[in-house]
Amino acid sequence: DIQMTQSPSTLSASIGDRVTITCRASQSISNWLAWYQQKPGKAPKFLIYKASTLESGVPSRFSGSGSGSEFTLTISSLQPDDFATYYCQQYKKYPTFGRGTKLELK
Amino acid sequence: QVQLVESGGGVVQPGKSLRLSCDASGFVFGDYGMHWVRQAPGKGLEWVAIIWHDGSKIYYPDSMKGRFTVSRDNSKNTLYLQMISLTVEDTAVYFCARDPGHFGSWYYFDYWGQGTQVTVSS
Repeated sequence: DIQMTQSPSTLSASIGDRVTITCRASQSISNWLAWYQQKPGKAPKFLIYKASTLESGVPSRFSGSGSGSEFTLTISSLQPDDFATYYCQQYKKYPTFGRGTKLELK
Repeated sequence: QVQLVESGGGVVQPGKSLRLSCDASGFVFGDYGMHWVRQAPGKGLEWVAIIWHDGSKIYYPDSMKGRFTVSRDNSKNTLYLQMISLTVEDTAVYFCARDPGHFGSWYYFDYWGQGTQVTVSS
C-alpha cells in the first residue's frame, strides 16, 4: 500500500491567514492526488484532483500543487467556512488517505 | 443534482451480518463506478470497495477481502455492501461515493452520501 503522511495534524490559524498543508506519499504517485474537506458529522467534500485541478464550484482561494511524492494544499486567505479537517488521497494505486489535518481557529 | 443516500446501518453483535444500501439519483447511475469508504469514530477515511459502472470489475483492499461484498442493481439505481462476520473494528460510518470516471474508474470520489452508522457491539 502507498502510505500518505499529512502535516501538520493540527493547524491553528486566523481569518485572512494563508495556510499550507503538506502531504507526502511513500512512493512516487505522479500527480494522482485528490484533496477533500470534511466538517464534523458531514461527508467529505471533494476539492481538488490531479494534485492541482480545482473541482467546479470550489473557491479560488484553494489551490494544490506538487508532483511525485510531495504535495501541498494552500488556502490563500482563510474564511470562516474553511475551518474543517482536510484529507489528501492518492489514486495511483488502490486509494489511500492521509490521516487528516484539522484546521482550527486560533 | 447528484444525491446519494445510504441506509441499512445499525447496531449489530460481533459475528453477525449486515447489508448496506445506497440509493442514487440525479445522474445516470449505470455510467459510473461506485465506491464504499468508511470512517471509524474519530479516525480517518478508509477505502472499502469499488464496483465498476457495469459491475464487471470489483476490487477491495486486502484488509476487506473475504468479508465484504459490493454489488449494484443499475435498474434500481442502488449500490449495496454485504458485510459478514462483523467485528468491533468494523464500527464506522460507511459512505457510498461516486467515482468521476464515465464508463471507467479513476479511484477518487466526487460525490459522497451522508453516511450510515454501523456499530458492532455485544
